[in-house]
Amino acid sequence: EVQLVQSGAEMKKPGESLRISCTGSGYTFANHWIAWVRQMPGKGLEWMGFVYPHDSDTRYSPSFEGRVTISGDKSINTAYLQWSSLRASDSAMYYCARGFCSGDICYWNFDLWGQGTLVTVSS
Amino acid sequence: DIVMTQSPNSLAVSLGERATINCKSSQSIFYSSNNKNYLAWYQQKPGQPPRPLIYWASIRESGVPDRFSGSGSGTAFTLTISSVQAEDVAVYYCQQYYGTPHFGQGTRLDIK
Repeated sequence: EVQLVQSGAEMKKPGESLRISCTGSGYTFANHWIAWVRQMPGKGLEWMGFVYPHDSDTRYSPSFEGRVTISGDKSINTAYLQWSSLRASDSAMYYCARGFCSGDICYWNFDLWGQGTLVTVSS
Repeated sequence: DIVMTQSPNSLAVSLGERATINCKSSQSIFYSSNNKNYLAWYQQKPGQPPRPLIYWASIRESGVPDRFSGSGSGTAFTLTISSVQAEDVAVYYCQQYYGTPHFGQGTRLDIK
């Protein structure tokens, strides 16, 4: 089955670090962009950035650059989103999503989504 | 950045009636070299991840009912649900992928 499976919900304190994961299966993980998308409570979808696992090419939204680090490990079909110092405002649902590919050309719309990882940051 | 704006923010439609959601981009997302509009639509129900509905502005994803259709070109796009069903209650998002991705703010669809 083609799927993205994300790590479980996290509860952290402000200032702590965190890494969440997204593992793909059923397809060639390295050959598709993997994006991270934030959804704050009751709000819309915000693209944070993505990684191309084949060569680790990474792009960030200006709104998130410097605040998070996105990476990928093609040897274990896993992408990561990490924070070095969490804030209460990072509390949100985080989704990973796969970029669509047609033949050898890949695009930045998303045809497969993970189930989401809820991150709660509170003292 | 190419910014997407949806209208309305919410709408309520009777069962079996047509629903229309609009999406505008701040600049053209039509790429002339391949004759494609870089526009996707997603549906999100409460407690679920987004579900892809349409890409290239008008191509339905596999398994999406044919009551969902997408149209438009350049900077103005529309998602139409021809006969709204109870299971269509959701928030709908457009997204451009001509540049780095940007989602519209979402449109909530309810049943009247």
